[in-house]
Amino acid sequence: GAVVSQHPSRVICKSGTSVKIECRSLDFQATTMFWYRQFPKQSLMLMATSNEGSKATYEQGVEKDKFLINHASLTLSTLTVTSAHPEDSSFYICSASRSGLAGVPRGYEQYFGPGTRLTVT
Amino acid sequence: DAKTTQPNSMESNEEEPVHLPCNHSTISGTDYIHWYRQLPSQGPEYVIHGLTSNVNNRMASLAIAEDRKSSTLILHRATLRDAAVYYCIRAGGTSYGKLTFGQGTILTVHP
Repeated sequence: GAVVSQHPSRVICKSGTSVKIECRSLDFQATTMFWYRQFPKQSLMLMATSNEGSKATYEQGVEKDKFLINHASLTLSTLTVTSAHPEDSSFYICSASRSGLAGVPRGYEQYFGPGTRLTVT
Repeated sequence: DAKTTQPNSMESNEEEPVHLPCNHSTISGTDYIHWYRQLPSQGPEYVIHGLTSNVNNRMASLAIAEDRKSSTLILHRATLRDAAVYYCIRAGGTSYGKLTFGQGTILTVHP
Protein backbone atom coordinates (compact mmCIF):
# COMPACT_ATOMS: atom_id res chain seq x y z
CA GLY A 1 0.00 0.00 0.00
CA ALA A 2 0.86 3.72 -0.02
CA VAL A 3 1.77 4.07 -3.67
CA VAL A 4 2.28 7.43 -5.31
CA SER A 5 2.48 7.82 -9.06
CA GLN A 6 3.68 10.66 -11.22
CA HIS A 7 2.95 11.40 -14.82
CA PRO A 8 4.77 11.86 -17.08
CA SER A 9 8.01 10.21 -16.02
CA ARG A 10 9.96 12.23 -18.58
CA VAL A 11 9.09 15.28 -20.58
CA ILE A 12 10.98 17.44 -23.03
CA CYS A 13 9.54 20.80 -23.89
CA LYS A 14 10.60 23.93 -25.69
CA SER A 15 11.52 27.10 -23.90
CA GLY A 16 8.50 29.29 -23.26
CA THR A 17 5.94 26.51 -23.10
CA SER A 18 4.15 25.16 -20.02
CA VAL A 19 4.31 21.67 -18.63
CA LYS A 20 1.93 19.98 -16.22
CA ILE A 21 3.03 17.17 -13.91
CA GLU A 22 0.49 15.02 -12.11
CA CYS A 23 0.95 13.37 -8.74
CA ARG A 24 -1.54 10.76 -7.59
CA SER A 25 -1.88 8.74 -4.39
CA LEU A 26 -3.22 5.44 -5.68
CA ASP A 27 -4.41 3.64 -2.59
CA PHE A 28 -4.79 6.22 0.13
CA GLN A 29 -6.10 9.70 0.65
CA ALA A 30 -3.38 12.27 0.91
CA THR A 31 -4.22 15.16 3.13
CA THR A 32 -1.00 16.89 2.23
CA MET A 33 1.20 16.73 -0.82
CA PHE A 34 4.66 18.15 -1.26
CA TRP A 35 6.62 19.10 -4.34
CA TYR A 36 10.41 18.87 -4.48
CA ARG A 37 13.02 19.65 -7.08
CA GLN A 38 16.37 17.93 -7.40
CA PHE A 39 19.23 19.07 -9.60
CA PRO A 40 21.94 16.58 -10.65
CA LYS A 41 24.24 15.50 -7.83
CA GLN A 42 22.26 17.58 -5.35
CA SER A 43 19.77 16.86 -2.64
CA LEU A 44 16.02 17.40 -2.77
CA MET A 45 14.74 20.90 -2.24
CA LEU A 46 11.20 21.44 -1.04
CA MET A 47 9.31 23.79 -3.34
CA ALA A 48 5.84 23.88 -1.85
CA THR A 49 3.33 22.21 0.41
CA SER A 50 -0.27 21.79 -0.63
CA ASN A 51 -3.31 20.76 1.33
CA GLU A 52 -6.42 19.57 -0.43
CA GLY A 53 -8.76 22.39 -1.22
CA SER A 54 -6.49 25.22 -0.16
CA LYS A 55 -3.73 27.29 -1.67
CA ALA A 56 -0.22 25.92 -1.69
CA THR A 57 2.44 27.28 0.62
CA TYR A 58 5.63 28.01 -1.27
CA GLU A 59 9.15 27.96 0.12
CA GLN A 60 11.19 31.10 0.07
CA GLY A 61 12.63 31.78 -3.35
CA VAL A 62 10.10 29.67 -5.25
CA GLU A 63 7.97 31.74 -7.64
CA LYS A 64 4.34 30.84 -7.11
CA ASP A 65 3.30 32.36 -10.43
CA LYS A 66 5.79 30.20 -12.25
CA PHE A 67 5.14 26.95 -10.42
CA LEU A 68 1.38 26.59 -10.19
CA ILE A 69 0.16 23.95 -7.79
CA ASN A 70 -3.37 22.62 -7.66
CA HIS A 71 -4.53 20.07 -5.09
CA ALA A 72 -8.13 19.59 -6.13
CA SER A 73 -8.76 16.23 -4.50
CA LEU A 74 -7.36 13.97 -1.81
CA THR A 75 -5.64 11.85 -4.44
CA LEU A 76 -4.39 14.33 -7.01
CA SER A 77 -2.04 17.28 -7.06
CA THR A 78 -0.63 18.95 -10.14
CA LEU A 79 2.42 21.12 -10.70
CA THR A 80 2.47 23.33 -13.77
CA VAL A 81 5.75 24.88 -14.80
CA THR A 82 4.76 27.95 -16.76
CA SER A 83 6.93 29.57 -19.41
CA ALA A 84 9.63 27.00 -18.84
CA HIS A 85 13.27 27.89 -19.38
CA PRO A 86 16.35 25.67 -19.60
CA GLU A 87 17.24 26.47 -15.99
CA ASP A 88 13.96 24.82 -14.96
CA SER A 89 15.30 21.50 -16.23
CA SER A 90 15.35 19.27 -13.20
CA PHE A 91 13.98 16.16 -11.52
CA TYR A 92 10.61 17.01 -9.95
CA ILE A 93 9.37 14.74 -7.20
CA CYS A 94 6.10 14.79 -5.32
CA SER A 95 5.25 13.15 -2.03
CA ALA A 96 2.06 12.53 -0.18
CA SER A 97 1.33 12.03 3.46
CA ARG A 98 -1.71 10.56 5.07
CA SER A 99 -3.20 11.33 8.40
CA GLY A 100 -4.59 9.10 11.05
CA LEU A 101 -1.78 6.58 11.31
CA ALA A 102 -1.30 5.56 14.88
CA GLY A 103 2.06 6.53 16.30
CA VAL A 104 3.12 8.45 13.22
CA PRO A 105 3.86 12.11 13.64
CA ARG A 106 1.46 13.88 11.37
CA GLY A 107 2.80 14.56 7.93
CA TYR A 108 6.18 12.96 8.29
CA GLU A 109 5.69 9.53 6.88
CA GLN A 110 5.73 10.62 3.31
CA TYR A 111 5.39 8.46 0.25
CA PHE A 112 7.28 9.69 -2.75
CA GLY A 113 6.48 9.42 -6.40
CA PRO A 114 9.04 8.11 -8.87
CA GLY A 115 9.82 11.60 -10.12
CA THR A 116 9.48 13.45 -13.41
CA ARG A 117 12.53 14.46 -15.37
CA LEU A 118 11.91 17.73 -17.13
CA THR A 119 14.20 18.91 -19.90
CA VAL A 120 13.63 22.33 -21.39
CA THR A 121 15.35 22.94 -24.73
CA ASP B 1 20.34 24.15 6.82
CA ALA B 2 19.66 20.44 7.08
CA LYS B 3 20.59 20.45 10.78
CA THR B 4 22.04 16.95 10.65
CA THR B 5 25.54 15.75 9.83
CA GLN B 6 26.24 12.53 8.01
CA PRO B 7 29.36 11.07 6.40
CA ASN B 8 29.46 11.69 2.67
CA SER B 9 29.89 8.05 1.81
CA MET B 10 30.24 4.59 3.29
CA GLU B 11 30.97 1.17 1.90
CA SER B 12 29.86 -2.26 2.90
CA ASN B 13 30.02 -5.82 1.71
CA GLU B 14 26.93 -7.78 0.84
CA GLU B 15 25.31 -9.63 3.75
CA GLU B 16 27.26 -7.67 6.34
CA PRO B 17 25.64 -5.23 8.77
CA VAL B 18 25.86 -1.53 8.04
CA HIS B 19 25.77 1.22 10.63
CA LEU B 20 24.99 4.65 9.20
CA PRO B 21 25.63 7.43 11.72
CA CYS B 22 23.89 10.76 11.99
CA ASN B 23 24.66 13.68 14.23
CA HIS B 24 21.87 16.02 15.28
CA SER B 25 23.35 17.76 18.28
CA THR B 26 20.89 20.69 18.22
CA ILE B 27 17.78 18.56 18.11
CA SER B 28 14.79 19.89 20.02
CA GLY B 29 12.60 17.89 22.32
CA THR B 30 9.76 17.67 19.82
CA ASP B 31 11.82 16.70 16.78
CA TYR B 32 11.58 13.20 15.42
CA ILE B 33 14.45 11.54 13.60
CA HIS B 34 13.50 10.27 10.17
CA TRP B 35 15.46 8.22 7.69
CA TYR B 36 14.74 8.07 4.00
CA ARG B 37 16.75 6.57 1.20
CA GLN B 38 16.91 7.31 -2.50
CA LEU B 39 17.93 4.91 -5.19
CA PRO B 40 19.34 6.39 -8.41
CA SER B 41 16.75 8.21 -10.52
CA GLN B 42 13.93 7.40 -8.10
CA GLY B 43 11.99 9.22 -5.47
CA PRO B 44 13.02 8.75 -1.84
CA GLU B 45 11.66 5.87 0.18
CA TYR B 46 10.66 6.05 3.84
CA VAL B 47 12.85 3.82 5.98
CA ILE B 48 12.16 4.44 9.64
CA HIS B 49 11.59 7.14 12.24
CA GLY B 50 11.86 7.50 15.99
CA LEU B 51 11.73 9.92 18.89
CA THR B 52 13.54 8.52 21.91
CA SER B 53 13.40 4.76 21.95
CA ASN B 54 15.15 2.43 19.55
CA VAL B 55 12.92 1.30 16.73
CA ASN B 56 12.81 -1.75 14.51
CA ASN B 57 10.89 -2.48 11.36
CA ARG B 58 11.22 -4.85 8.44
CA MET B 59 13.71 -2.62 6.68
CA ALA B 60 16.06 -1.48 9.42
CA SER B 61 16.67 -0.58 13.03
CA LEU B 62 17.16 2.88 14.45
CA ALA B 63 19.33 3.31 17.51
CA ILE B 64 18.95 6.70 19.19
CA ALA B 65 21.50 7.94 21.69
CA GLU B 66 20.24 8.60 25.18
CA ASP B 67 20.90 12.34 24.83
CA ARG B 68 19.30 12.23 21.35
CA LYS B 69 22.20 14.10 19.83
CA SER B 70 23.01 11.28 17.48
CA SER B 71 21.44 8.21 15.97
CA THR B 72 22.45 5.22 13.88
CA LEU B 73 20.54 3.50 11.15
CA ILE B 74 21.31 -0.19 11.11
CA LEU B 75 20.85 -2.41 8.09
CA HIS B 76 21.29 -5.89 9.49
CA ARG B 77 22.35 -7.61 6.28
CA ALA B 78 23.17 -5.35 3.40
CA THR B 79 22.11 -6.39 -0.07
CA LEU B 80 23.00 -4.86 -3.40
CA ARG B 81 19.55 -3.31 -3.48
CA ASP B 82 20.41 -1.31 -0.38
CA ALA B 83 22.89 0.79 -2.34
CA ALA B 84 21.39 4.26 -2.17
CA VAL B 85 21.71 7.71 -0.66
CA TYR B 86 20.51 7.63 2.92
CA TYR B 87 19.09 10.80 4.42
CA CYS B 88 18.80 11.47 8.13
CA ILE B 89 16.28 14.22 8.84
CA ARG B 90 15.17 15.81 12.06
CA ALA B 91 11.72 17.27 11.88
CA GLY B 92 8.69 17.86 13.98
CA GLY B 93 7.09 20.43 16.16
CA THR B 94 5.73 23.33 14.19
CA SER B 95 7.35 22.43 10.88
CA TYR B 96 4.45 20.15 10.05
CA GLY B 97 5.44 17.70 7.40
CA LYS B 98 8.36 19.68 6.05
CA LEU B 99 11.37 17.49 5.47
CA THR B 100 14.67 19.25 4.91
CA PHE B 101 17.00 16.95 3.03
CA GLY B 102 20.74 17.30 3.53
CA GLN B 103 23.38 15.72 1.33
CA GLY B 104 22.96 12.28 2.89
CA THR B 105 25.33 9.32 2.90
CA ILE B 106 26.03 7.46 -0.31
CA LEU B 107 26.11 3.77 0.59
CA THR B 108 27.99 1.47 -1.75
CA VAL B 109 27.48 -2.26 -1.30
CA HIS B 110 30.09 -4.60 -2.73
CA PRO B 111 29.16 -8.12 -3.84
